[in-house]
Amino acid sequence: GQNIDQPTEMTATEGAIVQINCTYQTSGFNGLFWYQQHAGEAPTFLSYNVLDGLEEKGRFSSFLSRSKGYSYLLLKELQMKDSASYLCAVRWDTNAGKSTFGDGTTLTVKP
Amino acid sequence: GAGVSQSPRYKVAKRGQDVALRCDPISGHVSLFWYQQALGQGPEFLTYFQNEAQLDKSGLPSDRFFAERPEGSVSTLKIQRTQQEDSAVYLCASSLTEGATDTQYFGPGTRLTVL
Repeated sequence: GQNIDQPTEMTATEGAIVQINCTYQTSGFNGLFWYQQHAGEAPTFLSYNVLDGLEEKGRFSSFLSRSKGYSYLLLKELQMKDSASYLCAVRWDTNAGKSTFGDGTTLTVKP
Repeated sequence: GAGVSQSPRYKVAKRGQDVALRCDPISGHVSLFWYQQALGQGPEFLTYFQNEAQLDKSGLPSDRFFAERPEGSVSTLKIQRTQQEDSAVYLCASSLTEGATDTQYFGPGTRLTVL
């Protein structure tokens, strides 16, 4: 199948750094997205990786290793508003436009 | 409008009723996607349009589900003879081009509850 695996829940302290991991099946891989979703709201785009390496965007960075089928989202200087679900989504080269989402990691930031 | 809009935001239906969910994508966006999101899970792909053409409907769970985008802009997802297992949030997303790497912009979703 095209399983996307992420931890279900994580907890971190305000001001700290947290890393959210995502693993996926490598066959047919064509890019990986990270989305943030607050409760009751729509997912919003955070990052996109298709080549190996780290993409940095302000407090958020995303890393990809294609050969290992592995990505992580790194959140620095955590703020209370970062409490949300973080969704990893993979695009496949066999289905135009289709993305498979993981079930999301619910991050709780505590003071 | 500035973003993707969906209506209604909330829909309660009795089992067996038909429902229609509307999506207004960002103006000019070529691609449109429908997803189903159950509580505590990630969005699951239902169907994909490129302009008015439905290129992929592999995610539609049964023949009770039907989607259309007749003029390549507004789309409607119709569910016939609703069942309790259809209760979920239905998300619509659009992207500017047909490119597989294009960012998808999501609407707020329609929360469907089937009693």
